[in-house]
Amino acid sequence: SQQGEEDPQALSIQEGENATMNCSYKTSINNLQWYRQNSGRGLVHLILIRSNEREKHSGRLRVTLDTSKKSSSLLITASRAADTASYFCATDKAAGNKLTFGGGTRVLVKP
Amino acid sequence: ETGVTQSPTHLIKTRGQQVTLRCSSQSGHNTVSWYQQALGQGPQFIFQYYREEENGRGNFPPRFSGLQFPNYSSELNVNALELDDSALYLCASSLRVPGEETQYFGPGTRLLVL
Repeated sequence: SQQGEEDPQALSIQEGENATMNCSYKTSINNLQWYRQNSGRGLVHLILIRSNEREKHSGRLRVTLDTSKKSSSLLITASRAADTASYFCATDKAAGNKLTFGGGTRVLVKP
Repeated sequence: ETGVTQSPTHLIKTRGQQVTLRCSSQSGHNTVSWYQQALGQGPQFIFQYYREEENGRGNFPPRFSGLQFPNYSSELNVNALELDDSALYLCASSLRVPGEETQYFGPGTRLLVL
């Protein structure tokens, strides 16, 4: 079963705009990670945020985590056509344990 | 590139057949996890191998089995294939050490069961 939900399920934006997607989960976590998947291929790790962290940045990515609300958000700034992909959040309960994924947000960045 | 490789990339089987999928983990990683991803959904955890022992299993029947070898590469075996087994099968390697939680995924094997 899926741990959480991503919202929205799909997002269409123009190049240069920001894209924001949200992830909610159900149980306590150790870490939350975001992955990108292009056209049904392998998952590419984007960023990991620990349960005791509230915000993290990596390049054009900004991730927030609110453990009281059991939710996280991923912001992609100044989007590019190459950002077109599906984005998944995944949680684990302990280091190296199984990842539980949400259903993903499909992002289309139009040139 | 994550350094995780999977073979084959695509596979077509018929119902009732058996299939073996292979995964080579990233150098230095001792843990391999397998996931099934149906079309349009997020990956679902099948099981994990740590130092050649099964270390956790998801909600999959016993006809899904696996192995991990001394070099930490891994196999996923599925017996008595069903149509619903059609999916992308992903393996991920990791170190299973606090501070090194990232799982690195291979490109996947797409299985079609007819």
